[in-house]
Amino acid sequence: DAKTTQPTSMDCAEGRAANLPCNHSTISGNEYVYWYRQIHSQGPQYIIHGLKNNETNEMASLIITEDRKSSTLILPHATLRDTAVYYCIVSRAGTALIFGKGTTLSVSS
Amino acid sequence: ETGVTQTPRHLVMGMTNKKSLKCEQHLGHNAMYWYKQSAKKPLELMFVYSLEERVENNSVPSRFSPECPNSSHLFLHLHTLQPEDSALYLCASSQEIGGRTGELFFGEGSRLTVL
Repeated sequence: DAKTTQPTSMDCAEGRAANLPCNHSTISGNEYVYWYRQIHSQGPQYIIHGLKNNETNEMASLIITEDRKSSTLILPHATLRDTAVYYCIVSRAGTALIFGKGTTLSVSS
Repeated sequence: ETGVTQTPRHLVMGMTNKKSLKCEQHLGHNAMYWYKQSAKKPLELMFVYSLEERVENNSVPSRFSPECPNSSHLFLHLHTLQPEDSALYLCASSQEIGGRTGELFFGEGSRLTVL
């Protein structure tokens, strides 16, 4: 059973912010929200994760709604190298991460 | 460089061959994983090890046999595979399984072709 719902694909202009949504309406209180991306034929790359609070690192920001039923990954200034499949995953301690189909983000100049 | 190294990067084998994929992590992590990615499909979790003990086996056929001799090394032994087993096999490690310190670090993968 899919625990997250993401759009199949999104487009973004280079230099603009890319906002990738994820719905996880059945998330439990002890489940974290993880984001990964996979560039063609490479291993997935960890981006960011969080529980309740918004998080930011050098790659992206993660905005989690107050009810925790959805989140948004923000790439503040998308570049062509950000073109990839982005995965939103929920996981609690002791449960391995399960990848869904993700969102294919296409960044164009 | 993620700290997870997989060898070989490419492997071609016949259906009657026996081969092994190797994974090594230099991150001091406690958990290691095998994932499979077939063409145009999501990653599928195959096996999970925590502190060298297998904790998850997702209905994987017995022609795939994992081995975790220590917390830094993970093998996937392959025998009598089928052409449909051709895929990218990805190894990953994490501090713990899921939760706060469950972020996965992946290797580059081993591209397997079964003839």
